[in-house]
Amino acid sequence: AQSVTQPDIHITVSEGASLELRCNYSYGATPYLFWYVQSPGQGLQLLLKYFSGDTLVQGIKGFEAEFKRSQSSFNLRKPSVHWSDAAEYFCAVGAKGYQKVTFGTGTKLQVIP
Amino acid sequence: DVKVTQSSRYLVKRTGEKVFLECVQDMDHENMFWYRQDPGLGLRLIYFSYDVKMKEKGDIPEGYSVSREKKERFSLILESASTNQTSMYLCASSPGQGAGNQPQHFGDGTRLSIL
Repeated sequence: AQSVTQPDIHITVSEGASLELRCNYSYGATPYLFWYVQSPGQGLQLLLKYFSGDTLVQGIKGFEAEFKRSQSSFNLRKPSVHWSDAAEYFCAVGAKGYQKVTFGTGTKLQVIP
Repeated sequence: DVKVTQSSRYLVKRTGEKVFLECVQDMDHENMFWYRQDPGLGLRLIYFSYDVKMKEKGDIPEGYSVSREKKERFSLILESASTNQTSMYLCASSPGQGAGNQPQHFGDGTRLSIL
């Protein structure tokens, strides 16, 4: 069975600082990996996805993520955080031919001035 | 853009009532999902459907049922609502065969309170 771990429940960063949100997955074959963002009172929005190829993927809103097979990780990064990035972030893993996507428990990001 | 519309943003019901949550998507997606979201637990899959009249149990189907009579509509039913079903419910859709490799498009959620 596939699983996702987001070890940080809550992270606080200063506006303008860099950000890295951690995601570790467990899956036997090649995973399909996703990062979603949820602003307060809204549904989830896709930030980026990794299926194959280049292990560094670019997403919307200036986010990027790096797939590291040896570490079973897919960490999300942003070089300079804006106050509007305050939200909850979810990592998810799926697989081709598999009907479900498994979500992590989320990391809540707080941005302070 | 894909639009997934959930019929209610907020809903208050009483214990024992039969509750219907409705979801409509406008992009002809094959796959539709119902999740519940609780603090610290992330998103947990209740049911999903990969075709009209087809449904599959997710991780926490107990106390719920679903209906998909038309491709664009997926309904979640709480047969006899209980207080432990108070939660945020999210509907999502995705295209193609094999939902595990497709991004999902989410509605804004229904916050359901059972009194």
